[in-house]
Amino acid sequence: AIRMTQSPSSLSASTGDRVTITCRASQGISSYLAWYQQKPGKAPKLLIYAASTLQSGVPSRFSGSGSGTDFTLTISCLQSEDFATYYCQQYYSYLYTFGQGTKLEIK
Amino acid sequence: EVQLVESGGGLVQPGGSLRLSCAASGFTFSSYSMNWVRQAPGKGLEWVSYISSSSSTIYYADSVKGRFTISRDNAKNSLYLQMNSLRAEDTAVYYCARIAGNPRPFDYWGQGTLVTVSS
Repeated sequence: AIRMTQSPSSLSASTGDRVTITCRASQGISSYLAWYQQKPGKAPKLLIYAASTLQSGVPSRFSGSGSGTDFTLTISCLQSEDFATYYCQQYYSYLYTFGQGTKLEIK
Repeated sequence: EVQLVESGGGLVQPGGSLRLSCAASGFTFSSYSMNWVRQAPGKGLEWVSYISSSSSTIYYADSVKGRFTISRDNAKNSLYLQMNSLRAEDTAVYYCARIAGNPRPFDYWGQGTLVTVSS
């Protein structure tokens, strides 16, 4: 199975900051990479797919980049509602795999 | 409005069985592939199983292969997960999730149902 490794595992930031989360795949996955946001007690929400395409309704402060094995999620100006856990996921293989998550906390 | 509503979770003893259901509405269920994803308490997301729109293609994670069976009834707009030989490590919130085409990620998720395996 393709292994997805996110870094950092946790991150403290302030409202208005720019933050970047990294995701690395154990083998090339082209651009078949998605990012999800999950808040406590809620289901994950799709933010970005195809590495850089914003899902409908997602604010433009979220952006994604990368291809092959290395990917990033950037939030350009943190808002209070962005403090959550973020997961990357590869869908290159039907044995879908997720990263271990990055918890974004208020500093 | 797309809605996915899971049910069937609960407390079960190790070695026991449980059947989860996911009721879909607001879209043409028979046109979409579906998945089960689980999340152990305080842990990350783990994909469990995939089923294509016609049930012709099915995949399982190694951790559940041979114990879990995914199925669907397109006439009833429902997805199922039969879970047998349950273990403590199967304790998790189980989500059903839709795939918007192939290859695509999971665009809609249910609210989840909690399965607790304990004596």
